[in-house]
Amino acid sequence: GESVGLHLPTLSVQEGDNSIINCAYSNSASDYFIWYKQESGKGPQFIIDIRSNMDKRQGQRVTVLLNKTVKHLSLQIAATQPGDSAVYFCAENDGSNYKLTFGKGTLLTVNP
Amino acid sequence: EPEVTQTPSHQVTQMGQEVILRCVPISNHLYFYWYRQILGQKVEFLVSFYNNEISEKSEIFDDQFSVERPDGSNFTLKIRSTKLEDSAMYFCASGGTVSNYGYTFGSGTRLTVV
Repeated sequence: GESVGLHLPTLSVQEGDNSIINCAYSNSASDYFIWYKQESGKGPQFIIDIRSNMDKRQGQRVTVLLNKTVKHLSLQIAATQPGDSAVYFCAENDGSNYKLTFGKGTLLTVNP
Repeated sequence: EPEVTQTPSHQVTQMGQEVILRCVPISNHLYFYWYRQILGQKVEFLVSFYNNEISEKSEIFDDQFSVERPDGSNFTLKIRSTKLEDSAMYFCASGGTVSNYGYTFGSGTRLTVV
């Protein structure tokens, strides 16, 4: 069935290192992907998105890579800071409706 | 920056009671959503709402659930007879256009059913 999932449930990095969070999806009809950050006690916060006609998109300190061949999405965070500590979710939409399907989440911990 | 506001932040209710979760979406947005997140699990879609009617709902959104936009600013989720398994964080979200899927989430209401 359709699913969006994450390879690693937890990731611990040192401050200043680069972080890579991965996500696999199985719905080949998905054409829009979003990464969200969720801090404790808060709602998901939009980080960056990408459409299926692209394979890379960059924001401020973040880059999303999309590999449609293997249905894989990644979020790269450069020079990770303690404020980046949160749960990161990927979400996808197949364009047929309004809903987002979320993955399970990866807990990123940044050690000072 | 515009925000989606949810009240209350935490609601404790007895099993079988009705609860109403309230949301004030971003004022010029047209699309409204409810999601829920059971502790430690992923965020799940409940319902989308546009032009004063439900656009889509998930299998979770059964007859015990309803949504309403009673005036120009509020968007509510009602659970008619709560069950223990309804305990979760409930997030409201709003978006501008159908092509803008990166909608804004509120901070959530933590519902605890005892």
